[in-house]
Amino acid sequence: NAGVMQNPRHLVRRRGQEARLRCSPMKGHSHVYWYRQLPEEGLKFMVYLQKENIIDESGMPKERFSAEFPKEGPSILRIQQVVRGDSAAYFCASSPGGGGQETQYFGPGTRLLVL
Amino acid sequence: GQNIDQPTEMTATEGAIVQINCTYQTSGFNGLFWYQQHAGEAPTFLSYNVLDGLEEKGRFSSFLSRSKGYSYLLLKELQMKDSASYLCAVRDMGGATNKLIFGTGTLLAVQP
Repeated sequence: NAGVMQNPRHLVRRRGQEARLRCSPMKGHSHVYWYRQLPEEGLKFMVYLQKENIIDESGMPKERFSAEFPKEGPSILRIQQVVRGDSAAYFCASSPGGGGQETQYFGPGTRLLVL
Repeated sequence: GQNIDQPTEMTATEGAIVQINCTYQTSGFNGLFWYQQHAGEAPTFLSYNVLDGLEEKGRFSSFLSRSKGYSYLLLKELQMKDSASYLCAVRDMGGATNKLIFGTGTLLAVQP
């Protein structure tokens, strides 16, 4: 049973380019979460999605960042016009449902470097 | 506000016992999680507490006191492979959200 998959594992972009990060949840999981980890800092929540719905985007920067989780295919975190401050590790997690004692299981992360 | 505090670093000896503390002040509470994260890897789930008391799972145990806003992770019979960051996270409660609020993590170094 494959875990949470993320790709690419490493991504290098120049300032002003777009970054697309992909996340495939564990089999049977319909809830996806994105977190960002800056160097020497803790994981920060960004967005929580179910299939075709954004449930909580309170941690998303107001500009340049967007996320989707379509009916078919992986969840995508998209960063437009990247800046150096976007350099970080971006982790995706998934859970079977959204309440109760649901545990979030994390993927290996995408390490974004903006030159 | 949301605040989760844990020590930045700890050092312990192989074979010993170590306790990593976590205190939290959050607007809502719906459970506390401990994750282990090796450098450059994904956080892996260790334990979950939602009621007061001790949860034991092999060499790892986790304790919660909701009235004190306090938890600890206890690691017994330390092994070199236990050298990692240990992340304390509180699940927020409110509306439809299910987000986790993380502390900055405790970097544990296990020495021979």
